[in-house]
Amino acid sequence: QLQLRESGPGLVKASETVSLTCTVSSGSINTNSNYWAWIRQPPGKGLEWIGSISHSGTTYYNPSLASRVTISADTSKNHFSLRLSSVTAADTAVYYCARLLLFGSGYNSHFDPWGQGTPVTVSS
Amino acid sequence: QSALTQPASVSGSPGQSLTISCTGTSNDIGSFKLVSWYQQRPGEAPKLMIYEATKRPSGISNRFSGSRSGNTASLTVSGLQAEDEANYYCCSYAGRSTLVFGGGTKLTVL
Repeated sequence: QLQLRESGPGLVKASETVSLTCTVSSGSINTNSNYWAWIRQPPGKGLEWIGSISHSGTTYYNPSLASRVTISADTSKNHFSLRLSSVTAADTAVYYCARLLLFGSGYNSHFDPWGQGTPVTVSS
Repeated sequence: QSALTQPASVSGSPGQSLTISCTGTSNDIGSFKLVSWYQQRPGEAPKLMIYEATKRPSGISNRFSGSRSGNTASLTVSGLQAEDEANYYCCSYAGRSTLVFGGGTKLTVL
């Protein structure tokens, strides 16, 4: 059964860059049947799609975050990563990684499964 | 890319049926049947309940069902049980490999 696990620093200072990694087990990220995605959830708030990466390394970002986000994948380590630069208090959230399944010829369908999430707190 | 609109809360008694709406635009729900629904209990990761507007993953109770009409998708929970109390989020494909979530609905079982 495919499993995802996020890892990261937990605490980061404002204006710095936070880097998170999602390690995938019991399955390979090098597959053309799905993408891989990052989603976040600020405390007490809803979910926000951050971005996705395809099997070929093509990335897609939420326009509201695109200028600060980089998603990459390392197939040799079977993990993918998120870098978010110039963080502020508004970036404090639980960050989830998930498999993004596709419909037809590449249309994004749904997220399943999800990792357990990793909290990121931005301090001033 | 604006968030989909969901009611902040819904409530019902055990055994009743409830429907949660999710309203988007012609750029997302209105153009694609790629709507999914997630259940999130406190302290847990979201869990897929419905995908492609009406399909139920293996292991999900048939008390959960989805529909879509025009720019609105809906999640219906029938035979409400205490364990259904959670936050529910809709999500839609919005074109060009982007996705948008709803603000979430808190379902309370009275």
